[in-house]
Amino acid sequence: GAVVSQHPSRVICKSGTSVKIECRSLDFQATTMFWYRQFPKQSLMLMATSNEGSKATYEQGVEKDKFLINHASLTLSTLTVTSAHPEDSSFYICSAIQRGLAYNEQFFGPGTRLTVL
Amino acid sequence: EDQVTQSPEALRLQEGESSSLNCSYTVSGLRGLFWYRQDPGKGPEFLFTLYSAGEEKEKERLKATLTKKESFLHITAPKPEDSATYLCAVQPIPFYNTDKLIFGTGTRLQVFP
Repeated sequence: GAVVSQHPSRVICKSGTSVKIECRSLDFQATTMFWYRQFPKQSLMLMATSNEGSKATYEQGVEKDKFLINHASLTLSTLTVTSAHPEDSSFYICSAIQRGLAYNEQFFGPGTRLTVL
Repeated sequence: EDQVTQSPEALRLQEGESSSLNCSYTVSGLRGLFWYRQDPGKGPEFLFTLYSAGEEKEKERLKATLTKKESFLHITAPKPEDSATYLCAVQPIPFYNTDKLIFGTGTRLQVFP
């Protein structure tokens, strides 16, 4: 089956620093990748849609300059949280769509736990 | 506005006690409805996709059904390893984003031996 990986799985940083999270599709090419955020006991909230070779599309209320997304290849998307603050602490999950599937099933990564001190 | 509501929020079952989880949705047009399982600290794991009212899918102890306004995830004779949060998501017929998923808040299932 399609596998999506994320790195790192956990990161702790000081307030004001930037953190980069990688999302890779390991055995397929992803036309589109998505970035979600999940707070404790809440559901997944879509932050942005990332298409290879073009600018990301952000959901309403998500700051583009704070959450930088780069989708440089068909297997890699990165999310950089710039000048992170404690309120950015959350579980960040990416998903990828496999090219060629009729209904564009999303395969999810294992998530990255970000803690900002 | 497109919306997904799951109930109950939490469910405690004895091993072998069958039950159902509900997912009610409001969308202008439904492209697909998805069920995922999420274990603590992990990403969602795909279970089922349903596309049209009347459709049913089964996998081991799980069976998903779909009507025009809701979906049910039936769990038959659950085991402790079925304990997880079950997420429902809908994919609306696209306006501008063809693949957007709208998630419900999930049902946290605990199965006791």
